[in-house]
Amino acid sequence: GQQVQQSPTSLVLQEGENAELQCNFSTSLNSMQWFYQRPGGSLISVFYNPSGTKQSGRLTSTTVIKERRSSLHISSSQITDSGTYLCAMGTNSAGNKLTFGIGTRVLVRP
Amino acid sequence: DMKVTQMPRYLIKRMGENVLLECGQDMSHETMYWYRQDPGLGLQLIYISYDVDSNSEGDIPKGYRVSRKKREHFSLILDSAKTNQTSVYFCASRGQYAEQFFGPGTRLTVL
Repeated sequence: GQQVQQSPTSLVLQEGENAELQCNFSTSLNSMQWFYQRPGGSLISVFYNPSGTKQSGRLTSTTVIKERRSSLHISSSQITDSGTYLCAMGTNSAGNKLTFGIGTRVLVRP
Repeated sequence: DMKVTQMPRYLIKRMGENVLLECGQDMSHETMYWYRQDPGLGLQLIYISYDVDSNSEGDIPKGYRVSRKKREHFSLILDSAKTNQTSVYFCASRGQYAEQFFGPGTRLTVL
């Protein structure tokens, strides 16, 4: 079946540092989404990015379909960036379903 | 403002009781979902609904059923809840570009 691997599983940053989160897929995709989740919170869509590069503030997402991977870059991290980042992929064969990774837990320290 | 709502936000039930979780969306999205999230397992799809009375099993449908009588409402029903159904349940809807929008979640505890 489809698999989504996220790395690293956790990350500790000093405030101001940059970070890159990775998401790798076992099959080719037709939709790809990054989510942010605080402990006990809901999933907030950060990017819908099935291909190419998108930027929003200090966050940049790059999806390379041929290489079956997507990355989320956090620049100049802030304490409020702490939380879990989840990636999810969809494929033509899966219809409207997304398969989620387990997530990368990010902690930004002052 | 596009929104997915869920009620209740917190629920405690005893084993064997029936549970009704409700979800609403104001975006007229056709496709809606129910997931559960457990530590170490991530999000698992329980059911998907493509529109009114057009529902399909997800990856873990056993012990659950759903109802969708209006496009804006999607209910998850647990008949005779079990302790292993203690979890956080999320509802989501799918936008026109395949992006999913999530509700705030319902934390269900089955004692």
